[in-house]
Amino acid sequence: KAGVTQTPRYLIKTRGQQVTLSCSPISGHRSVSWYQQTPGQGLQFLFEYFSETQRNKGNFPGRFSGRQFSNSRSEMNVSTLELGDSALYLCASSPAITAQETQYFGPGTRLLVL
Amino acid sequence: AQRVTQPEKLLSVFKGAPVELKCNYSYSGSPELFWYVQYSRQRLQLLLRHISRESIKGFTADLNKGETSFHLKKPFAQEEDSAMYYCALSGPGGGSQGNLIFGKGTKLSVKP
Repeated sequence: KAGVTQTPRYLIKTRGQQVTLSCSPISGHRSVSWYQQTPGQGLQFLFEYFSETQRNKGNFPGRFSGRQFSNSRSEMNVSTLELGDSALYLCASSPAITAQETQYFGPGTRLLVL
Repeated sequence: AQRVTQPEKLLSVFKGAPVELKCNYSYSGSPELFWYVQYSRQRLQLLLRHISRESIKGFTADLNKGETSFHLKKPFAQEEDSAMYYCALSGPGGGSQGNLIFGKGTKLSVKP
């Protein structure tokens, strides 16, 4: 099976702009989670989607939002970008049939905000 | 608050030496704990989870609820074990691995 894919891989934006990142999970996986990785804060959970519904949400401002489509593909959006939003954004998917299933991570989208 | 602490940013050992990567957690309830690994230029991937009590690539980890620890151990390190290791906790909202709380990670360097 193809792994989790994320597009774009690299992105440069300026402060105040908005950005949309895309994640395609492994075929058959219904859960998609998003994480932000920065040198200072490490890996932080943003949100999780399952069957087009947000199931869990991390402690991020409302500028960060996401959605999941009927084919399980997911997008996350960051509005009014700030310099501190520069990070690697990781997406992970799992079948989500049981609680102990493995999450499979994508390669990430590296966002630089100038 | 739920938290995962990995006290060592960097751990350097020689090939064949024992390895222990420390992880302590703070969680109110029954935790689900995991170790993830990221090799150079590869994706983050699951190494092992406490519930399955398995040994992967010679690594084991025991959940110690009294000490709130989940240290990762390997008796004889190999050069290919060099990687970034993250301890993670399944957070509130329960029922899935989808909301992981990660430690800051420990970079393991195994020297020849």
